[in-house]
Order: sequence, then structure tokens, then C-alpha cells
Amino acid sequence: ETGVTQSPTHLIKTRGQQVTLRCSSQSGHNTVSWYQQALGQGPQFIFQYYREEENGRGNFPPRFSGLQFPNYSSELNVNALELDDSALYLCASRMETGDDYEQYFGPGTRLTVT
Amino acid sequence: GESVGLHLPTLSVQEGDNSIINCAYSNSASDYFIWYKQESGKGPQFIIDIRSNMDKRQGQRVTVLLNKTVKHLSLQIAATQPGDSAVYFCAEKNSNSGYALNFGKGTSLLVTP
Repeated sequence: ETGVTQSPTHLIKTRGQQVTLRCSSQSGHNTVSWYQQALGQGPQFIFQYYREEENGRGNFPPRFSGLQFPNYSSELNVNALELDDSALYLCASRMETGDDYEQYFGPGTRLTVT
Repeated sequence: GESVGLHLPTLSVQEGDNSIINCAYSNSASDYFIWYKQESGKGPQFIIDIRSNMDKRQGQRVTVLLNKTVKHLSLQIAATQPGDSAVYFCAEKNSNSGYALNFGKGTSLLVTP
């Protein structure tokens, strides 16, 4: 196992609702990235957090937001859910000074928007 | 826009055979490449990486080949085993332009006995 955990495992929401997904990083990892993986597609980068601040963002609208806490756990929040937000949401943690191969992914949260 | 893609969406091989998974990328500024394996219900797992100053790198039963001239990447798995059945993704980045890894669509590898 990678030491990165995510909760919940599965979630069903209705269009227009808001959702919060959680990630617990591997011990000692101070950087977390979030990815969206639609069915049959590769993961797409949403954003990255380091020292509780967003320091990189992909092509996602502002209704996707995040938080990183002092213990390096993090949240992904999505407002005004749309049907196309249905996907597997992955978080990945690493040391800020680490290389990408030292980045570890969690098992993901499967979000279904109806 | 720039993209990373895979030639074959599915690949079926017999146990013990060698597997080759291909990937094309279009961003000539990409300088770092990773292959990931994703099993059902799990997140991507690192397999092997290669930087643009290399054209070949070997790991345990795996070899990655990089052809920068034609922007092509391949993953070779020797003596494929049933446990190798998974979806394989190539991912690339330009180390000078941020943190995001750009993933391809993936190839599903099925190993039959």
C-alpha cells in the first residue's frame, strides 16, 4: 500500500449539490495533488497544494477548490456539481523536494452525480 | 492543444510472452516521462521513469524506450504474468512549466494463461 488514504470510497450526489473529498497523505509528505479521472480516461491534474497554499492549477473552474491542513491532510471541494463531474478523484502526495516518481497515489473516491 | 496519447486501447498477451505498450506525445518540451500501472480499485502505481537525456532505461522485467525524434515512448514487459493485467498509462511533464503530470488515455493489458 502507498500510505495515502482517501474517504469516502464511493459517493453519490445530485446535480447542484456540493461535495467534500478527503485525503490523508503519506507520513512526512508535505505536497498533495488532486486529479480527476473520468471513466476510460487518464487522470487530469486539478491542482497542487504545498504549505497550505495552492501552487499549481490545471484547467478546472473555480468551483473546484481545496484545502491543505497543518498535518498535510487535504480536502477537495466541488460546488454546484454537474453530471460531468462524475469521476474517480485521486490524490497524490510527495515531498516538495521529491521527484515525481516519489509521488504516491491514493485509491481514489468514486463520485457519481445524478 | 498538446496531448499524450496511446496507440492501442487494449492489448491481450499470453502468459510468458513479452508485452509492448506504446505511447505518443506531442509536446516537444516534455522532458520527463513516467509509466504507471493502475489495477482495478487502486490509484496509479509508479513503474518506471525516464528523462529526455536518455533513450532507454531498464527496471525489473520492464524497459522504457524513448524516441524523441518521433515523440514516442514504449513500455516493454518481459515474461508477462497474470499479475501484470491492468491499465497502463504514460505521463509526461515539462519540468520547467509546473507540477502537473499530463496522462495519456491508457492501455488495458490482459494476460491470458
